[in-house]
Parts: sequence; C-alpha cells; structure tokens
Amino acid sequence: SQQGEEDPQALSIQEGENATMNCSYKTSINNLQWYRQNSGRGLVHLILIRSNEREKHSGRLRVTLDTSKKSSSLLITASRAADTASYFCATDQTSYDKVIFGPGTSLSVIP
Amino acid sequence: SQTIHQWPATLVQPVGSPLSLECTVEGTSNPNLYWYRQAAGRGLQLLFYSVGIGQISSEVPQNLSASRPQDRQFILSSKKLLLSDSGFYLCAWSPPRRAGYTFGSGTRLTVV
Repeated sequence: SQQGEEDPQALSIQEGENATMNCSYKTSINNLQWYRQNSGRGLVHLILIRSNEREKHSGRLRVTLDTSKKSSSLLITASRAADTASYFCATDQTSYDKVIFGPGTSLSVIP
Repeated sequence: SQTIHQWPATLVQPVGSPLSLECTVEGTSNPNLYWYRQAAGRGLQLLFYSVGIGQISSEVPQNLSASRPQDRQFILSSKKLLLSDSGFYLCAWSPPRRAGYTFGSGTRLTVV
C-alpha cells in the first residue's frame, strides 16, 4: 500500500494526559501533514512538516518526522475533551503525484 | 480568505437515481480540487482530482464521474446510484503545490 498507516487505531486517555499518535509510510516524501476530523465533519488541517524538518510545534501540538525510519508522530499535550476526534496523517509522496491519507487514529479524551 | 462550500449536507437517494454533488471554492484561483469518499470509521479514498478546468483524473473506476466546468467549481455525478455508493463524500482544495488541503464539510449520502 502507498498510504501512511497510523498507530494506534484507537486511543482513549484521561483529560490532561498527553496523546501520542504515530504514522509510518513507505516511500520518500515531500511533506507530511496531520489532520483532525470531528465526527461527521470535514477534515481540518493541523500542521505540515517538510521532509527537511525534524520537528514542528503549533500550540499544544508537536509533530516529529524521522525520514530515515519513514515515520512521524503527533503529540497532543494536556489533552482536553474537545480534542476527541479522528486524526489522519497524509503523505505528499515524491513518486506519486498526490497526497495519500492513512486510515486514521480515533482519539477519545475522557473528562 | 479562502472558503470552500459543499452541498447538500445530507442526501437520501433511491437506487438507480442520478446524483449531483457540487463544490465551490472562493478566494483563490487555479486550485487543485479533489473528491474523496470515506466509509464509516475508515480513511479517505481519493475518487477524482483536477488541476484545471476540464482536467479530471480518476482514481477508482466506478459509476461516478466528475467535472470541472469552472475554475472553482467541482461536481461529482452519477447516472444511476448503487447501494455501494453510500458514504461520506468530501470535497477539498489545495494550492498547486499541495501544501495542505482545505476540506468542505462533507455530504452524507445514503442510497436506499
């Protein structure tokens, strides 16, 4: 498969805890993007990290990229109930002229 | 600012009926446009994408088609719906260099 794979498929944590989601992919990329989807809604772009970057921050979000391992992680610190959603990674692959989405991680933050 | 409009939000259609979903983008020119389908609890399946007026690339052969009659308008159609066409359809746009997608709010299609 050309798509990225998120891990775990589902994650349940208490409010205030950190949530970490991982994404692995198989081919070289131009960039990797993370999206959030609330139930029944469209996806919202969270952060984009380019292949020459190793870490990016946006508010409570921290994304890392390890191109040698072909993997990325999304860390949400001090989670809130409002963070409950599905999170998708998407890879802009150099050998494939479009962005490929993974199957997503379903995050539940329990108040 | 750029906005994307997708309608309708929900649609219930009988098997064999036609389909037309419309998506329009405002505030940008020459966007890349995409149609995705998402099965319940699953990832996104790319159906069609377009890099310009009249330019449509199909990813998955099926009874759906897409058209781009204007720069910022993308239409998903079917002549005869199948039960298997049920799903959540999402339109999206990106700049030509694909630096992040902006999604519409989606259409929940139920074929009965």
